Amino acid sequence: GQQVMQIPQYQHVQEGEDFTTYCNSSTTLSNIQWYKQRPGGHPVFLIQLVKSGEVKKQKRLTFQFGEAKKNSSLHITATQTTDVGTYFCASPREAGNNRKLIWGLGTSLAVNP
Amino acid sequence: KAGVTQTPRYLIKTRGQQVTLSCSPISGHRSVSWYQQTPGQGLQFLFEYFSETQRNKGNFPGRFSGRQFSNSRSEMNVSTLELGDSALYLCASSLAGRGAGAQYFGPGTRLLVL
Repeated sequence: GQQVMQIPQYQHVQEGEDFTTYCNSSTTLSNIQWYKQRPGGHPVFLIQLVKSGEVKKQKRLTFQFGEAKKNSSLHITATQTTDVGTYFCASPREAGNNRKLIWGLGTSLAVNP
Repeated sequence: KAGVTQTPRYLIKTRGQQVTLSCSPISGHRSVSWYQQTPGQGLQFLFEYFSETQRNKGNFPGRFSGRQFSNSRSEMNVSTLELGDSALYLCASSLAGRGAGAQYFGPGTRLLVL
């Protein structure tokens, strides 16, 4: 069945370095959603990408959806300690007349001050 | 708008007991999904309710059940608790009519089974 693979699983960076997490699928995705979960917190919806090749920015965060709609990336420029957390991607899969979200396992980001 | 609320926030139970968790979605959201999260296991989907009907279900044993009320509030129940049920249980509400829309999560209920 459709899966979304997220890499890397963990990433340690120095504050100020850039960070990228990738979400890959063997099948075409209708859309991709990104979430952030701070330590001890709950996932927070960041953004949804729908169009092939779409690029969206939120301050230091840049989200991309691949041209073939089989992969997506989240890039953080000049990381800060407030970026610490786990970043998840998720994408819908058809389930009969409805759709169900398939989640990546997440990338945990640690930032050394 | 008020966010998703979950009660209780923390719970300690013993093996064999049962537990009921409650979730109130964002006003206007008719879809409520439940997830189990344990360290290193990501988000495991339990089930989704829409207009009082279970629309999708994950791969969990029948000890896990849920329901949704006419006001979209939802409850999940776990019977005959096992040690492995210790986890953070998250509820998320969504606007999407066909499911898999952007999920707005509550703070979760941390369940410890002793």
